[in-house]
Amino acid sequence: DTEVTQTPKHLVMGMTNKKSLKCEQHMGHRAMYWYKQKAKKPPELMFVYSYEKLSINESVPSRFSPECPNSSLLNLHLHALQPEDSALYLCASSQDDVWASDYNEQFFGPGTRLTVL
Amino acid sequence: DQQVKQNSPSLSVQEGRISILNCDYTNSMFDYFLWYKKYPAEGPTFLISISSIKDKNEDGRFTVFLNKSAKHLSLHIVPSQPGDSAVYFCAASGSGNTGKLIFGQGTTLQVKP
Repeated sequence: DTEVTQTPKHLVMGMTNKKSLKCEQHMGHRAMYWYKQKAKKPPELMFVYSYEKLSINESVPSRFSPECPNSSLLNLHLHALQPEDSALYLCASSQDDVWASDYNEQFFGPGTRLTVL
Repeated sequence: DQQVKQNSPSLSVQEGRISILNCDYTNSMFDYFLWYKKYPAEGPTFLISISSIKDKNEDGRFTVFLNKSAKHLSLHIVPSQPGDSAVYFCAASGSGNTGKLIFGQGTTLQVKP
């Protein structure tokens, strides 16, 4: 299995809602990532988990809360989002711990298209 | 400060010809470079990579060239096919970046039949 899967594909939520994005990989990868991508922009790194521990938080607002229940799963809990948080949210994984290697291909999932009303 | 730059937002090429996508970087600590391809509403797909100890890496129709002295890399696609039409992102990582990828702004390639 060489895929990173993400659910749901699309999500529409109000500013008072609580929702979660899910990501799964079965490649035995040690690092998992959340990115946010706006239209016509490159992906922006949000969080990195290495060995199921949060290793990098790129100063993301607390209304985004990541969780890594096990080595294959990564969640992103959303609460009290703003319309400007509407974007494509991408999950990625890589073989090596992000601190251990520079030579780290990251494999991306298809993303969740989030719309905040 | 944009450390990885793709100065051409778009490129249009005829089917069968060569596509050349360019990328410049400013951080001399980068030692690994990657190209990703992205279709609308999909995640980026890893295409090809090169480490700084090489100046060329080839995989089928895709070749990446690295010129360290100029801090420049390019992706050559030959022959180009209509299915290659997508946004191409250059990314870099290296010592001090903890393996994090720094992406360029992307170049939209259109291959015309």
